Amino acid sequence: AQSVTQPDIHITVSEGASLELRCNYSYGATPYLFWYVQSPGQGLQLLLKYFSGDTLVQGIKGFEAEFKRSQSSFNLRKPSVHWSDAAEYFCAQTDSWGKLQFGAGTQVVVTP
Amino acid sequence: GAVVSQHPSRVICKSGTSVKIECRSLDFQATTMFWYRQFPKQSLMLMATSNEGSKATYEQGVEKDKFLINHASLTLSTLTVTSAHPEDSSFYICSATEGGHEKLFFGSGTQLSVL
Repeated sequence: AQSVTQPDIHITVSEGASLELRCNYSYGATPYLFWYVQSPGQGLQLLLKYFSGDTLVQGIKGFEAEFKRSQSSFNLRKPSVHWSDAAEYFCAQTDSWGKLQFGAGTQVVVTP
Repeated sequence: GAVVSQHPSRVICKSGTSVKIECRSLDFQATTMFWYRQFPKQSLMLMATSNEGSKATYEQGVEKDKFLINHASLTLSTLTVTSAHPEDSSFYICSATEGGHEKLFFGSGTQLSVL
């Protein structure tokens, strides 16, 4: 069965430090991958997506993600986090029809 | 600006009443809309897929008679939670696409609280 795994439920990072959120996907064909961010009580904001092409994807808010087929991974990174980056982050995959399968999410806490 | 509008953003209702949530695509024709549910501190789970003019396809374990989905036009899908109970309290969010994964947009979500 297809699945998306986010191994880290919770990550605490200091403001200004780098951040990496892990995501592993399981999909037989070409995966279409997304990273979303959700603030408490809010909807989803798309950070970036990968469909094909360059495996290093640039997104909004200074985030980037790298698609590694050999590792079935699509990890999200940010070189220097800001306090406003504290939120829940979801990795997701879809088939060609747009039906998304989400990972369990990673809660990011930013400390001063 | 938002391309998918979802209303209401928050609703509180009494147990046993029905609640309707609307999801509108603002500047494109949404041939397919998806409805997700998110319980507190959990991930989003797909409830159903609706295609304009046809019956919705529900995921396993989702009661189609309780969660009525109507996708009568290319810009509007509605989710009605019938005879709501406290265990239906959740965050409901829709997404819409005019075809496939490339143009896929989410609504802002609806927080439902059933007393």
